[in-house]
Amino acid sequence: QQQVKQSPQSLIVQKGGISIINCAYENTAFDYFPWYQQFPGKGPALLIAIRPDVSEKKEGRFTISFNKSAKQFSLHIMDSQPGDSATYFCASYNDFGNEKLTFGTGTRLTIIP
Amino acid sequence: EAGVVQSPRYKIIEKKQPVAFWCNPISGHNTLYWYRQNLGQGPELLIRYENEEAVDDSQLPKDRFSAERLKGVDSTLKIQPAELGDSAVYLCASSPRTGGVETQYFGPGTRLLVL
Repeated sequence: QQQVKQSPQSLIVQKGGISIINCAYENTAFDYFPWYQQFPGKGPALLIAIRPDVSEKKEGRFTISFNKSAKQFSLHIMDSQPGDSATYFCASYNDFGNEKLTFGTGTRLTIIP
Repeated sequence: EAGVVQSPRYKIIEKKQPVAFWCNPISGHNTLYWYRQNLGQGPELLIRYENEEAVDDSQLPKDRFSAERLKGVDSTLKIQPAELGDSAVYLCASSPRTGGVETQYFGPGTRLLVL
């Protein structure tokens, strides 16, 4: 059962542009929403995370926007760089349920010069 | 600080053969996870250990998969016999404390191809 829907599947952005990846979740018990970045041949690495008590979190060029009523959250990468080219996964976690991270299907981001 | 170590990095076997993957978590991390990542998909949890205890193995296909974490440190995941559909990347992750959400640190994975 897919509980986290991620889009788009792939994304091409010009260097310096804004990359936007969207996720939607179904389980209202989710209370922690991380984004992971994965380079080829590597495991996923935590990029940034948010809890539903805030609507936005920014770390450097990376921002998570969270809409609790719509059950949606998104990752914005400002001033996208070629080094940002990777696969990005959103995930959701339930602290008081089965304590399991549920990942989205991933977005392959390519930044072109 | 050394990261999560996994071996082998790649494995090619014929169907019906056994295979084993090894993981050494970050020193001091009590929680260890095994995930399976199919091509073009996100990781899916197979089993989670808190120290030596498997606290969530609900997604582990127990007819052919087994795992152990002796002494609460490194862990082995085994498949016997392997099937074509087992071709995937098997990721190990660890986190520092038991209970609640903690940053999970992933290893590079073992890429399995079953022919």
